[in-house]
Amino acid sequence: EAGVAQSPRYKIIEKRQSVAFWCNPISGHATLYWYQQILGQGPKLLIQFQNNGVVDDSQLPKDRFSAERLKGVDSTLKIQPAKLEDSAVYLCASSPPGAFYEQYFGPGTRLTVT
Amino acid sequence: SQQGEEDPQALSIQEGENATMNCSYKTSINNLQWYRQNSGRGLVHLILIRSNEREKHSGRLRVTLDTSKKSSSLLITASRAADTASYFCATVGSNSGYALNFGKGTSLLVTP
Repeated sequence: EAGVAQSPRYKIIEKRQSVAFWCNPISGHATLYWYQQILGQGPKLLIQFQNNGVVDDSQLPKDRFSAERLKGVDSTLKIQPAKLEDSAVYLCASSPPGAFYEQYFGPGTRLTVT
Repeated sequence: SQQGEEDPQALSIQEGENATMNCSYKTSINNLQWYRQNSGRGLVHLILIRSNEREKHSGRLRVTLDTSKKSSSLLITASRAADTASYFCATVGSNSGYALNFGKGTSLLVTP
């Protein structure tokens, strides 16, 4: 079974530029999560989707971050404009139906904002 | 905000020794999970313990949960160099859906 796929793996941008990350969850997983992991800290939930609907986006900085999951499968997370403090690893995870406590994580995208 | 706090922040042991790391949390939980993260394999789920359980085993892993003290411990027995990684506890709140609240992690180094 293929795991959660993310791209790109690494991205370097200048502050005020925009960036987008892509995630393809494990086939059949209806729940998708985006987490932000700053160096030296644990992951922090940004947004949770159930199919193509948002379940929780309370910690998403909505003035600059946006996410969508149009067809209930893959998802895109965008930052516009980026700030220095957005430098982090962005992790995508998914859960199978009926097993919401099991989360499978992708390899992450490491973003550096200069 | 992050829910769990792991202790110690860093731990260095030799192969064959046991490693114990602790996690404290603040609010009521549905379950608590432990994850391992290293550069090779990313973030991997290790074990889940529900709020009505006190102890759970999986291979060389032993997890305890004390809901009265809002704390958990992870014991890795007979450690190996391959156990070198960061270990995170993550809680699922009893009223907050299924999202995980992670602590800052314990960095474990196992030397041959």
